[in-house]
Amino acid sequence: AQSVAQPEDQVNVAEGNPLTVKCTYSVSGNPYLFWYVQYPNRGLQFLLKYITGDNLVKGSYGFEAEFNKSQTSFHLKKPSALVSDSALYFCASGGFQKLVFGTGTRLLVSP
Amino acid sequence: DAGVIQSPRHEVTEMGQEVTLRCKPISGHNSLFWYRQTMMRGLELLIYFNNNVPIDDSGMPEDRFSAKMPNASFSTLKIQPSEPRDSAVYFCASSPGGGQPQHFGDGTRLSIL
Repeated sequence: AQSVAQPEDQVNVAEGNPLTVKCTYSVSGNPYLFWYVQYPNRGLQFLLKYITGDNLVKGSYGFEAEFNKSQTSFHLKKPSALVSDSALYFCASGGFQKLVFGTGTRLLVSP
Repeated sequence: DAGVIQSPRHEVTEMGQEVTLRCKPISGHNSLFWYRQTMMRGLELLIYFNNNVPIDDSGMPEDRFSAKMPNASFSTLKIQPSEPRDSAVYFCASSPGGGQPQHFGDGTRLSIL
């Protein structure tokens, strides 16, 4: 069975500092991995995905994620955080159709 | 592209009433998903369709919940009778399939009094 873990309920970072939001996965076979962001009163928005190829994936709004097969991790990163990045972030894994979402990590970027 | 459209955005009703949530997926997407989000349980997949056919409804909590997709451009999620514990934000998402990202609507915030 597939599962995704986001070990941190909340991450706090100062504006301008690098940020990391952690995700580990447990899937059989080759994983499809995704990051989504949710702003208040909005649906989830797709940020980036890994299916195959380069382990470093670049996505929207300057975010990137690194796929690490040996550590079964897919951490979300950004070199310089913005206050506007404050939101709820979800990691997800899936196969051809259905996704399994993590519990979400709230990112709070302080000015 | 208008994105996934859900209606209503907010619904407040009394316990025991029938509730119908509506979703219009992105044109050309052949997979449609219904999710429920609460503080306690997070984001839960209720049911998903592929080419208008229900594929997996194992997440539907009870027989009070039902979902239909009569055509490629419309789906409904119905709760009858509704209960206070059904209060949540319900999201619809669609995808072209094949490992492509799901696109979410902005949800229906449902409050059952």
